[in-house]
Amino acid sequence: GQQVMQIPQYQHVQEGEDFTTYCNSSTTLSNIQWYKQRPGGHPVFLIQLVKSGEVKKQKRLTFQFGEAKKNSSLHITATQTTDVGTYFCAQGGRSQGNLIFGKGTKLSVKP
Amino acid sequence: GAVVSQHPSRVICKSGTSVKIECRSLDFQATTMFWYRQFPKQSLMLMATSNEGSKATYEQGVEKDKFLINHASLTLSTLTVTSAHPEDSSFYICSAVSSVTSTDTQYFGPGTRLTVL
Repeated sequence: GQQVMQIPQYQHVQEGEDFTTYCNSSTTLSNIQWYKQRPGGHPVFLIQLVKSGEVKKQKRLTFQFGEAKKNSSLHITATQTTDVGTYFCAQGGRSQGNLIFGKGTKLSVKP
Repeated sequence: GAVVSQHPSRVICKSGTSVKIECRSLDFQATTMFWYRQFPKQSLMLMATSNEGSKATYEQGVEKDKFLINHASLTLSTLTVTSAHPEDSSFYICSAVSSVTSTDTQYFGPGTRLTVL
C-alpha cells in the first residue's frame, strides 16, 4: 500500500535555528496533512495541503506540497522551545478511509 | 470546537483481563472514528475504522476478536481489548471525523495508555 517516508527521524537544534522535515511518497498523493505531537500527548492537526505546489504559512511554520504531489515539507523558522515535539506527515483521509502516517521527525530544541 | 475525549487516560490491568476504552466526540457528530495504536518511539498505526451502526473494518494483522469495537452512536465508539497480554501494552488513540464538514480532518483524542502486567 501507499507509504510516506519521512526524514530525518531526529533533529536537534539550538533555539533560534531553523528546522525542516521532509515527507516523500513514491506515488501521487491526493493530499498531505501535518500533525504535531508533544511528548506524552496526542497528535494535533496543523494543516492539510491539497493542491500541487501549494504553500501555506502559519506564523513561523511554512508548509509546501510538491508540484508532482509526491513530497511535502514543513519548515520552522527560528525555532523556540515550544516547538519541541514529533512532527508527522500523513496522507489519506475520510475519502480514503484512513490516514497513513509517516514515522515522524522528533525535534528537540536546546535553549 | 471539535473536541474528542477518551476514557480512561491510563489503565493498568492484569494479564488475561479485558479493558474497555471509550472515545467520544463532544461537540460534533462522527459517523466514522478511527482507532490507532502507538508503541514507544514509533508512529501511529491504524488498527480499525469504526462506522456508526455497522461493523468495524480492521487493518491487516489486527485480530477483530481480540480488539472489539462498538460504534453505537454518532458520538461514541468503544474499543475493548479482550484477554489482554503484556504485548498489548501501548498508547491507544482514537480520532473522529465530523459528519458535517467536508474536510478530511481527523480530530484526535488524548489517548489511553494501557499497561498490562
